Amino acid sequence: GESVGLHLPTLSVQEGDNSIINCAYSNSASDYFIWYKQESGKGPQFIIDIRSNMDKRQGQRVTVLLNKTVKHLSLQIAATQPGDSAVYFCAEIGLGSARQLTFGSGTQLTVLP
Amino acid sequence: DTGVSQDPRHKITKRGQNVTFRCDPISEHNRLYWYRQTLGQGPEFLTYFQNEAQLEKSRLLSDRFSAERPKGSFSTLEIQRTEQGDSAMYLCASSWGPGSNTGELFFGEGSRLTVL
Repeated sequence: GESVGLHLPTLSVQEGDNSIINCAYSNSASDYFIWYKQESGKGPQFIIDIRSNMDKRQGQRVTVLLNKTVKHLSLQIAATQPGDSAVYFCAEIGLGSARQLTFGSGTQLTVLP
Repeated sequence: DTGVSQDPRHKITKRGQNVTFRCDPISEHNRLYWYRQTLGQGPEFLTYFQNEAQLEKSRLLSDRFSAERPKGSFSTLEIQRTEQGDSAMYLCASSWGPGSNTGELFFGEGSRLTVL
């Protein structure tokens, strides 16, 4: 069935380094992807999105890369800060009219001092 | 308006009891979603409202679950005869659409349910 999954459950990086969080998807028909950040005790928060007609999109300190050939996307965080410590989810928009999100299982990012 | 608010934030109940959660979305948002999240997993879609109409329900939403949005503003999610497997975080989210070209949902902080 359709699924969105992440390669690694945890990632630790030194403060100031760049972080790369990966995500694989299985539905080749998926055309819209979103990254969410969830801090402990809070709801998910939108970070950045990308459509399938793009292969790269940049935001503030974040870049999302999409490789449709291998059905893979990644989130790059530049100069990682302690406030970036959270669980990161990739999600795809469902095909239904509700535009419901299908989330992967998440990667826990820990920023080390 | 400070965002999506949910109440209660935590609920502990005994198996077999009924519980109800409330969600107040961002006031100008016409779309409202309920998701369920268990520890270490991503949120799973439960149901969706556009204004007061419930337009989609997940297969995850058993007959013990019912959601309403009577006036197109706040919503309630009721779970009847709770089971231990219902223990989870119940997240509400809202957005504006159709016409929105983004998938950005605004999530509340969730209502955590523990069924003993």
